Amino acid sequence: DTGVTQSPTHLIKTRGQQVTLRCSPISGHKSVSWYQQVLGQGPQFIFQYYEKEERGRGNFPDRFSARQFPNYSSELNVNALLLGDSALYLCASSLEGSTEAFFGQGTRLTVV
Amino acid sequence: AQRVTQPEKLLSVFKGAPVELKCNYSYSGSPELFWYVQYSRQRLQLLLRHISRESIKGFTADLNKGETSFHLKKPFAQEEDSAMYYCALSYRFGNEKLTFGTGTRLTIIP
Repeated sequence: DTGVTQSPTHLIKTRGQQVTLRCSPISGHKSVSWYQQVLGQGPQFIFQYYEKEERGRGNFPDRFSARQFPNYSSELNVNALLLGDSALYLCASSLEGSTEAFFGQGTRLTVV
Repeated sequence: AQRVTQPEKLLSVFKGAPVELKCNYSYSGSPELFWYVQYSRQRLQLLLRHISRESIKGFTADLNKGETSFHLKKPFAQEEDSAMYYCALSYRFGNEKLTFGTGTRLTIIP
């Protein structure tokens, strides 16, 4: 599969814990974005990274952070987990200057 | 701030009947509009974008700046069209973040 890959696919965490989600973009894509999708809602933008620099940030608290590595893969970190952080977290990659996003299968995070 | 509204959460249409999924947006600049689709057990994928002015799987969508709408249409629904459809908006140049609507679940009745 040469698409966007995310790991893990499912995750269960306890309130207050920290979690790291991983994303590998399509080869050649230097831009990676993260989205949170709560049940019954559309995806909501969290971060965009391009060439290891944060290019955009959505309306999320500082408990959410991300980074991009030299190979363009990315990690999303969420600290001090709350029950409301339970959601599907989607990663998308795109070519420079392109608004066409290619999505991964997502990581289903459940906070108990 | 930009916003995308999809007024129908659920839409059921008989096979062979026309389909129209509504999308309205609010944005002060010149946005780029998209329709994304998610079939059962598959990832979210781009269906079409307004700048391409193309028909994909029989679907078309026209950007109406006066009505700030980008409705998705297909003249004859097929069973394989059953899926979740999301309208999305982006502004170009520098930050390609997508703003999504809440989605419409389309069910085609055989």
